[in-house]
Amino acid sequence: DQQVKQNSPSLSVQEGRISILNCDYTNSMFDYFLWYKKYPAEGPTFLISISSIKDKNEDGRFTVFLNKSAKHLSLHIVPSQPGDSAVYFCAASRNAGKSTFGDGTTLTVKP
Amino acid sequence: ETGVTQSPTHLIKTRGQQVTLRCSSQSGHNTVSWYQQALGQGPQFIFQYYREEENGRGNFPPRFSGLQFPNYSSELNVNALELDDSALYLCASSSREQTEAFFGQGTRLTVV
Repeated sequence: DQQVKQNSPSLSVQEGRISILNCDYTNSMFDYFLWYKKYPAEGPTFLISISSIKDKNEDGRFTVFLNKSAKHLSLHIVPSQPGDSAVYFCAASRNAGKSTFGDGTTLTVKP
Repeated sequence: ETGVTQSPTHLIKTRGQQVTLRCSSQSGHNTVSWYQQALGQGPQFIFQYYREEENGRGNFPPRFSGLQFPNYSSELNVNALELDDSALYLCASSSREQTEAFFGQGTRLTVV
């Protein structure tokens, strides 16, 4: 049973527009939710996180929203840039380092 | 500040052999986690080491084992390799005060 799901394997957006990546989870015991970005031949890089006691966290162009009742979180990137093209992983954690990952969404931002 | 480094970057082994992968954690981090990432999937948690002790394990058989050393570097050992063990193996270091982990570039293991 996959506890963290990213139902969209890929997403394509135009430069300057908003990118919205979605993630669903099943375990209500998770304390933190994280987004990582991965380029080919590199390890995942931490992007932004949110505690389960919050519903929104912003960092520059990146905002993560958490809807606990729906067990759903989303990552908004605005405006999207070509350099944002990468695989984005949603992860849920009860402990730093012990994370359960989704299978990723490949974001392509077209110039 | 030194990042997380893994060695080797690529490795080819024969089914039934044993392999050791190495990881140097980021300066100041005392926790190392290992993940297996199969093609087209997200990283799967193997186990975590905190101050040289195993601190949690995912759904992996005992032939996956590890060590953490006093300098917090770590090894992942896999015995009796199977074809399905072919994957990218990621090491991540973290500290107790952080929610996020910092990943190395991974070791690509191919079992033939």
